Amino acid sequence: DTAVSQTPKYLVTQMGNDKSIKCEQNLGHDTMYWYKQDSKKFLKIMFSYNNKELIINETVPNRFSPKSPDKAHLNLHINSLELGDSAVYFCASSQDGGGGANTGELFFGEGSRLTVL
Amino acid sequence: GNSVTQMEGPVTLSEEAFLTINCTYTATGYPSLFWYVQYPGEGLQLLLKATKADDKGSNKGFEATYRKETTSFHLEKGSVQVSDSAVYFCALSSLGNNRLAFGKGNQVVVIP
Repeated sequence: DTAVSQTPKYLVTQMGNDKSIKCEQNLGHDTMYWYKQDSKKFLKIMFSYNNKELIINETVPNRFSPKSPDKAHLNLHINSLELGDSAVYFCASSQDGGGGANTGELFFGEGSRLTVL
Repeated sequence: GNSVTQMEGPVTLSEEAFLTINCTYTATGYPSLFWYVQYPGEGLQLLLKATKADDKGSNKGFEATYRKETTSFHLEKGSVQVSDSAVYFCALSSLGNNRLAFGKGNQVVVIP
């Protein structure tokens, strides 16, 4: 069983469209995250939820809206997609509630590669 | 605030060569330090960690020692294999800080 699973793995879409990426973790963790990785492999945190409550919200356009229906799921919805949104989006989870501050061990999904044309 | 600096540029080396990737950090308090590895087409996974000064983390032949005096956590491996080709990220966390700070990553390419 995959610990952190994301769908879809690949997503190709036109500018202006709305798309969602789903994430589920079966590790029983309390905290989940979304990261964006650009073409140079630079990793930037976008959001973090702890027990369905938003705890990190970086400077991300409000076209990006995370939703956590329960602590095992954290979905990412993106409105009005732009070329610059093309990237690999990683979901991750951790046991502690401090965003990885205590153990530092994040468990990552395999990523969702979004290409905006 | 907390930050991590990794050496610039990709690293290309031959199989069985010695690998060093430099990592220095800036942090308040007493951070924990980590190396994550990202194999092609995969997400990041924890490679090793050290939680206090002078600790040495090790895994899969990789080692890194937490040096408080030089604020460094350099990653080393004595003899790399082609399968070690990946991107390596240094990271830190500190108590009371609700996020992991990642470095920019280093692409390592091992040539047979």
